[in-house]
Amino acid sequence: SQQGEEDPQALSIQEGENATMNCSYKTSINNLQWYRQNSGRGLVHLILIRSNEREKHSGRLRVTLDTSKKSSSLLITASRAADTASYFCATTPSGRGNYQLIWGAGTKLIIKP
Amino acid sequence: NAGVTQTPKFQVLKTGQSMTLQCAQDMNHEYMSWYRQDPGMGLRLIHYSVGAGITDQGEVPNGYNVSRSTTEDFPLRLLSAAPSQTSVYFCASSYSYREYEQYFGPGTRLTVT
Repeated sequence: SQQGEEDPQALSIQEGENATMNCSYKTSINNLQWYRQNSGRGLVHLILIRSNEREKHSGRLRVTLDTSKKSSSLLITASRAADTASYFCATTPSGRGNYQLIWGAGTKLIIKP
Repeated sequence: NAGVTQTPKFQVLKTGQSMTLQCAQDMNHEYMSWYRQDPGMGLRLIHYSVGAGITDQGEVPNGYNVSRSTTEDFPLRLLSAAPSQTSVYFCASSYSYREYEQYFGPGTRLTVT
């Protein structure tokens, strides 16, 4: 079953604005990852944040993790047309013997020129 | 490195036919997995492998078989195709499932009529 839930399902903003999308999950995790999928393509890894980390940056990306609320957010600053894509979160549940990443349904981001 | 390769890119099957989707990686990754992605949805795990000779079921394994005789290859077999198996199939690999990013192949778009 899908543990991660992204919010919003779709987001449309003007180029240059910031885009924020959220991910909630249900069980304790070892880490949380964000991926991007351009239309018709495979997923590309963006960033991984571990359960003992609260914030991580990579270029124009900022990810936060709140384990008490079981939620994460992905902020893309100064958006560009090339950021138009679907964004997915994936969690690695903690505990031994669990080898399955759990994926959310994704947020579809559209950047308007 | 070629990364993760998948063949074919597109396939049309009639109900009841069988076929094998090929997946190969040249990064010496231990962990490999197969997902299906239906329109507007996230990824659902079909089968995964934590190393050569070891496979296990994911969330939606019915109607699919896998084997992992080598580290590089992880083929997915559709035993008797059904229209419900119309989907885009992605193969992914990583050094380990727990702390490392997943590398995705370009996908196979399968239509069952």
